[in-house]
Amino acid sequence: GEDVEQSLFLSVREGDSSVINCTYTDSSSTYLYWYKQEPGAGLQLLTYIFSNMDMKQDQRLTVLLNKKDKHLSLRIADTQTGDSAIYFCAERSGGYNKLIFGAGTRLAVHP
Amino acid sequence: DGGITQSPKYLFRKEGQNVTLSCEQNLNHDAMYWYRQDPGQGLRLIYYSQIVNDFQKGDIAEGYSVSREKKESFPLTVTSAQKNPTAFYLCATGKGGNTDTQYFGPGTRLTVL
Repeated sequence: GEDVEQSLFLSVREGDSSVINCTYTDSSSTYLYWYKQEPGAGLQLLTYIFSNMDMKQDQRLTVLLNKKDKHLSLRIADTQTGDSAIYFCAERSGGYNKLIFGAGTRLAVHP
Repeated sequence: DGGITQSPKYLFRKEGQNVTLSCEQNLNHDAMYWYRQDPGQGLRLIYYSQIVNDFQKGDIAEGYSVSREKKESFPLTVTSAQKNPTAFYLCATGKGGNTDTQYFGPGTRLTVL
């Protein structure tokens, strides 16, 4: 069945780069998404990548997609304390309007 | 999520009571979704609607009901049949179709006393 896995926790120093990883199982996924959730809030769409792309860059965010290994990563350059949050990876199953979410990676940024 | 409102932000319910969570949007989006979030888990789809007067069950529909009488509104009722309703409920909207990107509201935290 469909499944998305993420590591649960990442701690980085302020100013360093953060890399959050995600693996998925559905080879027919069309789009893959990264969402950010701050405490007590809804999910904020950060970026997404179409399955025929390898990389997408948007300011401090870089998404890398390895479709062969079904691996997605989100790199945050110059990580700030305001980046502390839970980051969710999600895949869209091919031909079906459904998002499959990972359990989320909690990013902690320390001075 | 500026165009998606959920109310109330916090909701308390006694066991055995039904309760309705509101989701309203002014984005003119056709598709609307309800998800449930439990601590340490990803989001799970409860119900979704691609168009007015039509909706489909998601992965965990048991104990929930919805209606879609207006494009702007997609209320979720948590019934007494839902065995473990305490959770964070998130509404999302999208333009619909296979390239649909979903945008989320601020959520409602439901606690059963």
